[in-house]
Amino acid sequence: QVQLVQSGAEVKKPGASVKVSCKASGYTFSGNYLHWVRQAPGQGLEWMGWINPASGDTHYIQQFQGRVTMSSDTSISTLYLHLNRLRHDDTAVYYCARIGRFSGGLDHWGQGTLVTVAS
Amino acid sequence: QSALTQPASVSGSPGQSITISCTGSSIDVGNYKFVSWYQQYPGEAPKLIISDVNKRPSGRSNRFSGSSSGSTASLTISGLQTEDEADYYCSSYAGSSSWVFGGGTKLIVL
Repeated sequence: QVQLVQSGAEVKKPGASVKVSCKASGYTFSGNYLHWVRQAPGQGLEWMGWINPASGDTHYIQQFQGRVTMSSDTSISTLYLHLNRLRHDDTAVYYCARIGRFSGGLDHWGQGTLVTVAS
Repeated sequence: QSALTQPASVSGSPGQSITISCTGSSIDVGNYKFVSWYQQYPGEAPKLIISDVNKRPSGRSNRFSGSSSGSTASLTISGLQTEDEADYYCSSYAGSSSWVFGGGTKLIVL
């Protein structure tokens, strides 16, 4: 079955960077775009961007451009989210999610990775 | 892009039907048939319950249904059950390779 397994929780200081990984299994990794979504404590979902693992093409929401990099390693079916110049308001649970090949729904999600930015 | 607008909370009694609205604009909900709905329990990842306005993924209850008219999409839950108490989010493609979520709705089952 399709699984997305993310790396563990992180605690970072303001100004630092963080890298979250998401290992996919149970399907052809290059066959689906993968998205990153975050959720601040007690808040709603915020879409961050996507990556096409087959080509490496990416698209980021404007507010993250310049601070975020999404990448993938097809040899190990893993994608990465790198966020730098962390701020306190980057504290959130970060989710990777697979979009359906022929639909617009995020049909499988990782378990989430809590990133805490604190002095 | 601006978040889609959802009511902060809705409530209903077991057995009743409720509808959650998701209002966007002509650049997202009103222009694309890529509206999805997600259910999220506290401490868990969201789960897809409706994609492409009204398609139910395999294994999801047929008590969940979706529709859309103009720039407003709707999720209807019929035969409300206590296990339906959760947060619900809509999402839409917004053009230019971008997607947007709604602010979320807390469903309270009385």
